[in-house]
Amino acid sequence: KAGVTQTPRYLIKTRGQQVTLSCSPISGHRSVSWYQQTPGQGLQFLFEYFSETQRNKGNFPGRFSGRQFSNSRSEMNVSTLELGDSALYLCASSSGVAGATDTQYFGPGTRLTVL
Amino acid sequence: AQTVTQSQPEMSVQEAETVTLSCTYDTSESDYYLFWYKQPPSRQMILVIRQEAYKQQNATENRFSVNFQKAAKSFSLKISDSQLGDAAMYFCAYSTDKLIFGTGTRLQVFP
Repeated sequence: KAGVTQTPRYLIKTRGQQVTLSCSPISGHRSVSWYQQTPGQGLQFLFEYFSETQRNKGNFPGRFSGRQFSNSRSEMNVSTLELGDSALYLCASSSGVAGATDTQYFGPGTRLTVL
Repeated sequence: AQTVTQSQPEMSVQEAETVTLSCTYDTSESDYYLFWYKQPPSRQMILVIRQEAYKQQNATENRFSVNFQKAAKSFSLKISDSQLGDAAMYFCAYSTDKLIFGTGTRLQVFP
């Protein structure tokens, strides 16, 4: 099976702009979770989507949003970018059957730099 | 709140030797899962091993094994016969409704 794919791999944006990141899960997986990784805050959970519905959400401002399509692909959007949004954004997929106790398989990440 | 603590920011080991990475967690839940993930310089997170809290038997995957002490809320990872390719950041993670990660341990492997 093909693994989790994320596009683009690298992005450079300026403050105030918005950005959309994409994640394609492993075939057959219905759950997609997003994480932000920074040197200062480490790995933090953003949200999880299952069957096109947000099932869980972390403690991030409303500028961070996401959605999931009927083919389980997911997008994450960040509006009004701030310098502190510079991070590696990781997407993980799982079958979704058992919730977050399913093993999550990660994509290679999207490196976002905000100037 | 659930937390995961990795008290060793960096560890080093010689090739072919054994190393143990520590992890403790705090939770009031009785049913949960624990994971160790490896993140090499490529930044791709790779699952190393998984442990169900209701299972008393420690999980093992080839050269990787865990010492799971539920009462002590401890979940250490032992890497036997260390190889150069084991060099990476290792993250311990706890899961009920979402994955909560520790701060990571950077493992260096010397020839």
